[in-house]
Amino acid sequence: GAVVSQHPSRVICKSGTSVKIECRSLDFQATTMFWYRQFPKQSLMLMATSNEGSKATYEQGVEKDKFLINHASLTLSTLTVTSAHPEDSSFYICSASGTSGNTDTQYFGPGTRLTVL
Amino acid sequence: GEDVEQSLFLSVREGDSSVINCTYTDSSSTYLYWYKQEPGAGLQLLTYIFSNMDMKQDQRLTVLLNKKDKHLSLRIADTQTGDSAIYFCAEITNAGKSTFGDGTTLTVKP
Repeated sequence: GAVVSQHPSRVICKSGTSVKIECRSLDFQATTMFWYRQFPKQSLMLMATSNEGSKATYEQGVEKDKFLINHASLTLSTLTVTSAHPEDSSFYICSASGTSGNTDTQYFGPGTRLTVL
Repeated sequence: GEDVEQSLFLSVREGDSSVINCTYTDSSSTYLYWYKQEPGAGLQLLTYIFSNMDMKQDQRLTVLLNKKDKHLSLRIADTQTGDSAIYFCAEITNAGKSTFGDGTTLTVKP
C-alpha cells in the first residue's frame, strides 16, 4: 500500500510548550487527512478531518485552538498541540486519503507518541 | 515489525453474508478492532475483541479470532447496500502501538 510517514515518532516535552507533528503522504496526493488520538488500551478517536487548502473540521469536544491543524499541501498536514499539558499525553495517528485507481482509500501513519511532563 | 494484512476487495449480493479476513503478526496484540469507513468520512469503530476471546457477536456482526493462526474475521449477516464501505482491521499491542491493515473495500450489489 501507499506510505504515510509521521515525524517525530516520539516526543517528550515540558508542560506549557507546543509540539508540532507532521504527517506526510510519500507517494500519492492526499486530498483529505485525518487526525486521530488514541488513549492507552482504547480505540482511536477521530479528532479532525482536514482537506487541502481549507480549514479543518473538528469533532465535537476537540478544541480547535488547542489542536491546530494545517493542511497546506496535498502531501503534508501538521498537528500542533499548543501549550501541552500532561493530559495531552497520548498516541496521535494521522491517515491520508486519496484516490488510487478507482478507489478512495485511507492509509495510516505509524503514529507519534507524545509525553508531556 | 508488526504487519496487518487484508484482501483489498470483496463483492457480495444484498442479503448474503460477507466475510472479511485479516491476518496479523504481532503475538502481543491485546485488542483487535474492526473499523468502517464510508466515503469522505473518518473511521467508525464497529466492534473489537480482546485477544483472550474467540468470538464476539454484536447484532449482524460476528468477529472470530484464531489466535494460534493470528487470523481475525468479520462476518456481516444479511449484508445491505448501506454496508458498502472500506473495512479496516487493526491490532493494538501491549505497548499501545496501533497497526492498521490497508482496508477491504466491500461492494454490495442489489
